[in-house]
Parts: sequence; C-alpha cells; structure tokens
Amino acid sequence: DQQVKQNSPSLSVQEGRISILNCDYTNSMFDYFLWYKKYPAEGPTFLISISSIKDKNEDGRFTVFLNKSAKHLSLHIVPSQPGDSAVYFCAAALLNQGGKLIFGQGTELSVKP
Amino acid sequence: ETGVTQTPRHLVMGMTNKKSLKCEQHLGHNAMYWYKQSAKKPLELMFVYNFKEQTENNSVPSRFSPECPNSSHLFLHLHTLQPEDSALYLCASSQGGLFTDTQYFGPGTRLTVL
Repeated sequence: DQQVKQNSPSLSVQEGRISILNCDYTNSMFDYFLWYKKYPAEGPTFLISISSIKDKNEDGRFTVFLNKSAKHLSLHIVPSQPGDSAVYFCAAALLNQGGKLIFGQGTELSVKP
Repeated sequence: ETGVTQTPRHLVMGMTNKKSLKCEQHLGHNAMYWYKQSAKKPLELMFVYNFKEQTENNSVPSRFSPECPNSSHLFLHLHTLQPEDSALYLCASSQGGLFTDTQYFGPGTRLTVL
C-alpha cells in the first residue's frame, strides 16, 4: 500500500512560469512533510518541509502548501529556472513511531528555457 | 562538498559474495540512515541509527546487516544477495534522530548483483 503518492511521473514547465508538484498521502497520522530534490548521479537534497499543524511554508522561490482535509500537499516553484530541472520527492514522517520517513515515487521536473 | 561520503561508489558482486558498504559523516551528527533506491520504486528507508543505537529496521531481509561502530561511521554488510537487491544505496545523517532534522545524503553506492 503506497502511503505517499506522486501521481505525475513528469512535468514540463517554461522558464519563468510556476511549477506545481503534487503529492497525496493516505495516513492522517503523518505529522511532518518534506520535499527533496535529486539530480542524476547525486544523493537527494533536502528542499523544504512543513509541519502538519501548518498549511503553508515559504522559502524563497519555494512554497509548500498542505491541505490536511484532502491529504494533499504541493510544492510551488516560482519563477521556475532551468537549474530546477531534477526529480522531486515528497516524503511524510511519522515522528511518534521512531522516526519513519516514507517517500513518494518522485516527479521529474523539466524547466525549458 | 558533501559532508557525507560513501565507499565504494560502484560495486558489482556475485550472489555468493560478502561485501560491505561504508558511510562516513563529517558533520558531527548523531543519527545515520541507510536507504535503498530501486528502479521504478520510491526511496525506501532501511535502517536508522540514533546515537549508535538502531532505532528502525524497516522489514529489511537479514542478508543486509548494518553496523554503527561510532556516530561517524555506518556500514552495511551484504551477504548472499539476490539480483533484485541491485539498487542505489544511500546513506544519510542528521543532527538528531527525528525527521524534523534535515537529513544530508551521501552520493550513494550503485550496487549490481549478478
């Protein structure tokens, strides 16, 4: 059972436009959500996170929105840049069960000049 | 430059071999993690060590055996692996053992089991 889902395997966006990456989860007990970015041949890099008690967290060009009633979170990148082209993973954490972090399958973002 | 290093970067082994993956972190962190990334599957958490104590074993087969001799080093001992164990194995560390702390990943070891 896939508890964290990224239903879009890929996304293509024009430079300067907004990129919206989506993530759905099934377990209402998740209490922390994270986004990671991964370039080919490198390990993932932490990008931004949000606590389940918040509905928005912003860091520069990156904003994460959390809709708990819909069990949905999204990552907005604006404006998108070619260097943002990478695979983006969302992850959900259960902190009261020993620190388990469950990842989605990833969405490959391509930002075209 | 990443503060988490992994060796070797690539490893090819037969099913009867015994090998070990090594991870070292130079960040003064207290928690270390092993992840597996297979083709077409999400990143999977395998093991968590917090202050050298294993706190998570995510239903990993016993042919994978972790070892954490100190808070800076983490090993993954491999024996009698299967071809489906071929994957990218990533090590990560964080200041604390909870996932609210940023995890810093190493570059990974690309393992191929023949």
